[in-house]
Amino acid sequence: KAGVTQTPRYLIKTRGQQVTLSCSPISGHRSVSWYQQTPGQGLQFLFEYFSETQRNKGNFPGRFSGRQFSNSRSEMNVSTLELGDSALYLCASSLGAGEESGYTFGSGTRLTVV
Amino acid sequence: AQSVTQPDIHITVSEGASLELRCNYSYGATPYLFWYVQSPGQGLQLLLKYFSGDTLVQGIKGFEAEFKRSQSSFNLRKPSVHWSDAAEYFCAVTGYSTLTFGKGTMLLVSP
Repeated sequence: KAGVTQTPRYLIKTRGQQVTLSCSPISGHRSVSWYQQTPGQGLQFLFEYFSETQRNKGNFPGRFSGRQFSNSRSEMNVSTLELGDSALYLCASSLGAGEESGYTFGSGTRLTVV
Repeated sequence: AQSVTQPDIHITVSEGASLELRCNYSYGATPYLFWYVQSPGQGLQLLLKYFSGDTLVQGIKGFEAEFKRSQSSFNLRKPSVHWSDAAEYFCAVTGYSTLTFGKGTMLLVSP
């Protein structure tokens, strides 16, 4: 079956702009989580959506937001980009029935802010 | 709050030698534990997971991990390393539908 699809793979944006990243989970999976990966901070949890509702949110400023659609696809948006937002953004797909259902990651979107 | 510590930032192993990557966790209840591997510029691939039951877990690519509750550890092992195993390895614990990762261990394989 198809894996987790993240688009685009690469993005270059200018400071102050906004960006939208997309994640299509594995068919049948209802939970989508987002993570930011940087060399300095490692992998940090952004937020998790289940059945179009945000269930958990990490410690990120309000410039970072997300949503989930009825087909479980999710988008995350970053407004007023800062240089420090340059990172690999990873999406994880899960059945959402509980932690034991496990998480499958996409290949990520590499965002560069200049 | 849950946390994961991977004490080794880099490890170099000769091809064919055995490997052990260390992971210690902090979690208030029975943990769900994972090991992921990441090649440069790629996403995370699940190697194995522990939820309950047998404390020795087998994964893909010949990896295994042992859960030791008394030591709060979940170390990853492989009896014979191949050059293609060079990558970064992450240990993670999950709770409340979120994953908390360690800082990762970069594995270098020497010929």
